[in-house]
Amino acid sequence: GAVVSQHPSWVICKSGTSVKIECRSLDFQATTMFWYRQFPKQSLMLMATSNEGSKATYEQGVEKDKFLINHASLTLSTLTVTSAHPEDSSFYICSARIDPTGTEAFFGQGTRLTVV
Amino acid sequence: AQSVTQPDIHITVSEGASLELRCNYSYGATPYLFWYVQSPGQGLQLLLKYFSGDTLVQGIKGFEAEFKRSQSSFNLRKPSVHWSDAAEYFCAVVAYNQGGKLIFGQGTELSVKP
Repeated sequence: GAVVSQHPSWVICKSGTSVKIECRSLDFQATTMFWYRQFPKQSLMLMATSNEGSKATYEQGVEKDKFLINHASLTLSTLTVTSAHPEDSSFYICSARIDPTGTEAFFGQGTRLTVV
Repeated sequence: AQSVTQPDIHITVSEGASLELRCNYSYGATPYLFWYVQSPGQGLQLLLKYFSGDTLVQGIKGFEAEFKRSQSSFNLRKPSVHWSDAAEYFCAVVAYNQGGKLIFGQGTELSVKP
């Protein structure tokens, strides 16, 4: 099956610094990638949808300038948390879809971000 | 707008017992439905999906789900639960009028008693 690799699996950073999370589709080209945030014991909250070569579409309430998303190629999307604060600590998960009309999305293993 | 409801936040079953996790959706057309499982600190793994055709779909790990349009439900079942099935389970629907994103239910945490 299709594999999505997310890196790093966990990261600890200091307040005020930026951290980048990568999401790669290993054996397929992903025209659409999604970024989610998940709080403990809660469901996944969609942050943004990114299509290769175009700007990401952010969900209401998500700060575009804090959560920078780049989908530079058909196999790579990145989420950069800028000027991170402790409240940004969370579990971030990406998923990728092969084509815009496709139905199935494949998920990465997630990244645990801790801001100290 | 589309929505997914998982009425049970937490379910505990004995190992070897049968399991049914409930999922209700709200969607005008024929929905594309999924069940995912998530172990602690991990991403989501697809258990099964329904797009069309046979309303009883088989998935991995012995799971199955039945699509019932009249009840707007897509309940997940397993005849005999194993201790390794303890995890969080999410039902989801594709929202094509919202850019094709997945709408997730709140999740059901499954605990398995020895």
